[in-house]
Amino acid sequence: DAKTTQPNSMESNEEEPVHLPCNHSTISGTDYIHWYRQLPSQGPEYVIHGLTSNVNNRMASLAIAEDRKSSTLILHRATLRDAAVYYCISPNFGNEKLTFGTGTRLTIIP
Amino acid sequence: NAGVMQNPRHLVRRRGQEARLRCSPMKGHSHVYWYRQLPEEGLKFMVYLQKENIIDESGMPKERFSAEFPKEGPSILRIQQVVRGDSAAYFCASSPPGNVLFFGSGTQLSVL
Repeated sequence: DAKTTQPNSMESNEEEPVHLPCNHSTISGTDYIHWYRQLPSQGPEYVIHGLTSNVNNRMASLAIAEDRKSSTLILHRATLRDAAVYYCISPNFGNEKLTFGTGTRLTIIP
Repeated sequence: NAGVMQNPRHLVRRRGQEARLRCSPMKGHSHVYWYRQLPEEGLKFMVYLQKENIIDESGMPKERFSAEFPKEGPSILRIQQVVRGDSAAYFCASSPPGNVLFFGSGTQLSVL
């Protein structure tokens, strides 16, 4: 799997956008970028994934750099329920298991 | 469509007893994964199974741990002769082939 690097923690004010960065400089051309999050005392939850172009869904947006060596998860309007650990993962193509790192702990300030 | 169901939610065992953790995947999902999360640590992959087959068990401890996903019924993660170090949250996930993972709420195992 491509090695991913994320900040250990971030803070954001409620109702403001949040940009969570991830570096994956060793990514190969066929590796997807996945984002999951884990709320306190719960299992991880799928957020979004993409390959080359930016992706949007009801939860978030994923902006992928042109060289694909980094990406940013965007929460457009953070709520208190978005407080969680966010994991950026890039499994090797064909590898069906996901390897979770330490992620970014997002704190939302009311 | 019910999500991934894990039971029990909490399991208490004394040292030396056996722990059996169950996971029912989402309907239509043929792939099951087990992960372990120690307190204040990240999720560690344990094993990946398809129906009646273990595909990847590279994260499973060599002794005392086993997993199965029979043709009928839930996937079972079995820990024999539990020790205090086995205390952790165990999460199961399921997926269709080559797709995103859907996780259960986990089983919190406490070994006294």
